[in-house]
Amino acid sequence: IQMTQSPSSVSASVGDRVTITCRASQGIDNYLAWYQQKPGKVPELLISGVSTLQSGVPSRFSGSGSGTQFTLTISSLQPEDVATYYCQKYNAAPFTFGPGTTVHIQ
Amino acid sequence: QVQLEESGGGVVQPGRSLRLSCAASGFTFSSYAMHWVRQAPGKGLEWVSVVSSIGRNNYIADSVRGRFTMSRDNSNNRLYLEMNSLTAEDTAVYYCAKEASSSSYWGPYPFDSWGRGSLVTVSS
Repeated sequence: IQMTQSPSSVSASVGDRVTITCRASQGIDNYLAWYQQKPGKVPELLISGVSTLQSGVPSRFSGSGSGTQFTLTISSLQPEDVATYYCQKYNAAPFTFGPGTTVHIQ
Repeated sequence: QVQLEESGGGVVQPGRSLRLSCAASGFTFSSYAMHWVRQAPGKGLEWVSVVSSIGRNNYIADSVRGRFTMSRDNSNNRLYLEMNSLTAEDTAVYYCAKEASSSSYWGPYPFDSWGRGSLVTVSS
């Protein structure tokens, strides 16, 4: 199963709504996670099971989708959200990551 | 709290071998499947391998199968990645990562804790 993400990069203003799409080449049920990796930092789990926010994750982040198409939304972009976001399938091995989407502030 | 600390990285010549270790603490290591994930300089995350909680089973990514072996020592709370026949394409930061829930095999769980990574540079 291949994982793709779009766009590869997005530039937006503080307060803007940002949407990142992740597609799986086959159905993965709801076994889809999102990770945030800030520059120079270790990846952190943001969302699991398509839409379950991890403890401490701001509510401006949300996840949705099913089957093969999934979305990560940042409802109001903040400067601290500058990062690369990766989706990952974890229904079965191999636990493939998407190629990543880098979010910049305009 | 959960701590994962990788070690064993460094500069190695093409064709040589290297063994990475990951020391785990703060959780019942023997109850969790563990993973290795790598990230080449300036590139994205690449999943490498998983080993089941009791160490009986593992799965290695196609890109490194036949060259990399993953194992664990539950008596010492350590994870290992044995890397052979290294090439420049193996140059990366290697992270160990823990699954979010315990299981007797692995998955389906995301990775809720990551080490800080160990840099492996393959160069002559």
